[in-house]
Amino acid sequence: EVQLLESGGGLVQPGGSLRLSCAASGFIFRNYALSWVRQAPGKGLEWVSSISNSGGSTFYTDSVKGRFTISRDNSKNTLSLQMDSLREEDTAVYYCAKRLTLGPLDNWGQGTLVTVSS
Amino acid sequence: DIQMTQSPSTLSAFVGDTVTITCRASQSISSSLGWYQQKPGKAPKLLIYKASILEDGVPSRFTGSGSGAEFTLTISSLQPDDFATYYCQQYDNYPWTFGQGTKVDI
Repeated sequence: EVQLLESGGGLVQPGGSLRLSCAASGFIFRNYALSWVRQAPGKGLEWVSSISNSGGSTFYTDSVKGRFTISRDNSKNTLSLQMDSLREEDTAVYYCAKRLTLGPLDNWGQGTLVTVSS
Repeated sequence: DIQMTQSPSTLSAFVGDTVTITCRASQSISSSLGWYQQKPGKAPKLLIYKASILEDGVPSRFTGSGSGAEFTLTISSLQPDDFATYYCQQYDNYPWTFGQGTKVDI
């Protein structure tokens, strides 16, 4: 069974940093691309970032480019999202998700809440 | 960026009804479209990928169709468990984009 478990969320002041992690199990981690998707309170889904299976290619939505960095450790089956210069509008539940080969996101974690507030 | 527009935003229905949700892309995305179901406080669940392929374990009352820029999700014989919010998502080009969601309520 595929499992994705996010951690690292919490309350942070504007301008601060936070690092999210996602521990994966139940599949061959190094074979699949992964993504982060967020959902602000009461709002819809927003794709944030994706990384290829090797980690060699990364993609970001414009609003986080230069502030967020996605990475993965294929030896530890872990996905990370380093979030710097956080803004109040980054407040959301952040989900990590596994990509179906050449497809959309077929497995999701339970999410971790990030609150950016003074 | 490719814009995804869903309609309607809210849909009221009865158990047993057949409902249809439409998703339009601002440009052609071939068949690179997925549909998700989300219930309050839960992660989204993939229902359909490549516009019309049912994900494993998803009931056959869910049907996806379309290609290019116009897509539909049809739920036949609506069940109590189907009352949720549904999102379409294009994965043809980065940045990936979601529709704004369609809430199906009783």
